[in-house]
Amino acid sequence: EAQVTQNPRYLITVTGKKLTVTCSQNMNHEYMSWYRQDPGLGLRQIYYSMNVEVTDKGDVPEGYKVSRKEKRNFPLILESPSPNQTSLYFCASSTSGTGRGQPQHFGDGTRLSIL
Amino acid sequence: KQEVTQIPAALSVPEGENLVLNCSFTDSAIYNLQWFRQDPGKGLTSLLLIQSSQREQTSGRLNASLDKSSGRSTLYIAASQPGDSATYLCAVTALNAGKSTFGDGTTLTVKP
Repeated sequence: EAQVTQNPRYLITVTGKKLTVTCSQNMNHEYMSWYRQDPGLGLRQIYYSMNVEVTDKGDVPEGYKVSRKEKRNFPLILESPSPNQTSLYFCASSTSGTGRGQPQHFGDGTRLSIL
Repeated sequence: KQEVTQIPAALSVPEGENLVLNCSFTDSAIYNLQWFRQDPGKGLTSLLLIQSSQREQTSGRLNASLDKSSGRSTLYIAASQPGDSATYLCAVTALNAGKSTFGDGTTLTVKP
């Protein structure tokens, strides 16, 4: 089954403890992206990747890191999480190398709470 | 900076009605526009994607139109059903490729 898989689905952690949210897709998509969704602020893009070893900032990259060492995986790293990073996170992927022409497919989300 | 606005924020209709959801964007230099559906506690499901060179796309009871010059898109839902109840989001992808901006969504309730 074609899908975007995020792990973990839920995480409660404490300020300053490094964490990684993994994202994996099995559709051989070139494009991948991370978003956060907050009440009243909507869905905002954190980082995106056009292809392996190519990443770029979205609208809210501060406090996050990403890497794209292989096509299928695009982990989101919070080096020193803070409470304002408590949010619902989504990973998405698309078949086009530019991400322009094809629909984005979304994972089920990761609910992150930072105390 | 691109801004995407969706009106109304919430909409409640009786089953069977036809309805229109609106999406407007400030920068017409887009490559495509996509409509999504989000159910509570779930991820986003792609409904329709319109390339910037296209005027509309149709899928079943859904029809999306795009007027790039005026910065507007509409999602038309025919003969609404209770199963259509969800939040509908529109997103534009920039010409620079990769960067996407979402609206805040319209929460639709279809009453039996």
